Amino acid sequence: NAGVTQTPKFQVLKTGQSMTLQCAQDMNHEYMSWYRQDPGMGLRLIHYSVGAGITDQGEVPNGYNVSRSTTEDFPLRLLSAAPSQTSVYFCAVGPTTGELFFGEGSRLTVL
Amino acid sequence: DAKTTQPPSMDCAEGRAANLPCNHSTISGNEYVYWYRQIHSQGPQYIIHGLKNNETNEMASLIITEDRKSSTLILPHATLRDTAVYYCIVRAAHSGGGADGLTFGKGTHLIIQP
Repeated sequence: NAGVTQTPKFQVLKTGQSMTLQCAQDMNHEYMSWYRQDPGMGLRLIHYSVGAGITDQGEVPNGYNVSRSTTEDFPLRLLSAAPSQTSVYFCAVGPTTGELFFGEGSRLTVL
Repeated sequence: DAKTTQPPSMDCAEGRAANLPCNHSTISGNEYVYWYRQIHSQGPQYIIHGLKNNETNEMASLIITEDRKSSTLILPHATLRDTAVYYCIVRAAHSGGGADGLTFGKGTHLIIQP
């Protein structure tokens, strides 16, 4: 039982490149979300989903796309990476939006 | 969501109980108190939550005052592995939805001393 699995754990991109951060869960929870954590800023919600086929924007959605074709997976796509997107990204899953289980994080550097 | 206030840092001796306070004087009747912690470089970890009654699980106890304006998270026998930033969050529990997500403030950096 892996819980919440994020890949990759580390990634370096050049400005303008695109990539996808993967999030997979085996907990069968409907709610999945993506946060980013920057020094001194706390965690901020990027996008979230309340079930397959349903996604919505959080606090800081610009520059990111998401989709939810299955209950298990919730990928986060960076369309054209910018240095401002250098951050640690966390996927969070839960039965409610209050009780969340977080992945180990994906550390992204954009040069 | 109601605002919370926590001390920026606390020390506790290993083996003793760690009591982490949180003030949430503007909490609404439908808002829960959630506690998370984040050990360095890891994802936040859910600890416990409660509405008005005291709660206990295998990790900690949550004591909420009768007026619900403050709460205390208790780690009964702190170990070095409990060194982390502890976040107190107040929000209404939703079974789905919530564009505001969880608001993580600066939390309390708890340092367990050997």
